Amino acid sequence: DTEVTQTPKHLVMGMTNKKSLKCEQHMGHRAMYWYKQKAKKPPELMFVYSYEKLSINESVPSRFSPECPNSSLLNLHLHALQPEDSALYLCASSQEIEGLAGARNEAFFGQGTRLTVV
Amino acid sequence: GNSVTQMEGPVTLSEEAFLTINCTYTATGYPSLFWYVQYPGEGLQLLLKATKADDKGSNKGFEATYRKETTSFHLEKGSVQVSDSAVYFCALSSFQGAQKLVFGQGTRLTINP
Repeated sequence: DTEVTQTPKHLVMGMTNKKSLKCEQHMGHRAMYWYKQKAKKPPELMFVYSYEKLSINESVPSRFSPECPNSSLLNLHLHALQPEDSALYLCASSQEIEGLAGARNEAFFGQGTRLTVV
Repeated sequence: GNSVTQMEGPVTLSEEAFLTINCTYTATGYPSLFWYVQYPGEGLQLLLKATKADDKGSNKGFEATYRKETTSFHLEKGSVQVSDSAVYFCALSSFQGAQKLVFGQGTRLTINP
């Protein structure tokens, strides 16, 4: 199984709503990522979890709150978003190896959640 | 910091034409290089990768060689098909406490029959 599964595929939310995006993988990967992709732009890294601990936060606003309940699951909690937060949110995972070898592993991406904030 | 520069798109070719998409990078240390492809409405799929200088990655007729002397990783295919129409991203991977991928701007490729 080389799949990363994201739910929901589409989400429309108001600026006062609270919602969560979910991501699941069963490849035994210990690194999991959230990326944000605006239309016609490359993915931008938001968060990295390594062994269920937050390793990297790319200065993401606090209205985005990540959570890694276990090694297979990654959530992104959303609260008080703005219309400019509308984008495709991509989850990815990779094998985690520290040091130079850690850069060699490809990331496996989910199909994304297309979020619209109204 | 690390960065990736891709040729500007969009690129439109006829079926069976030769494809080159240029990619150059700036990085410290020993990055790995990747090409990802994104079909409409989907996530990214790995197309090929190279982890050290002079490595050649290949898959589905696509090839790219890691050239440290020119800091390049150009994507090539000898004969494109309509099904190759997609957005192609060149990416650089480095370990900075955790693995980080930096993407180029993407090149939209359209193949006409």
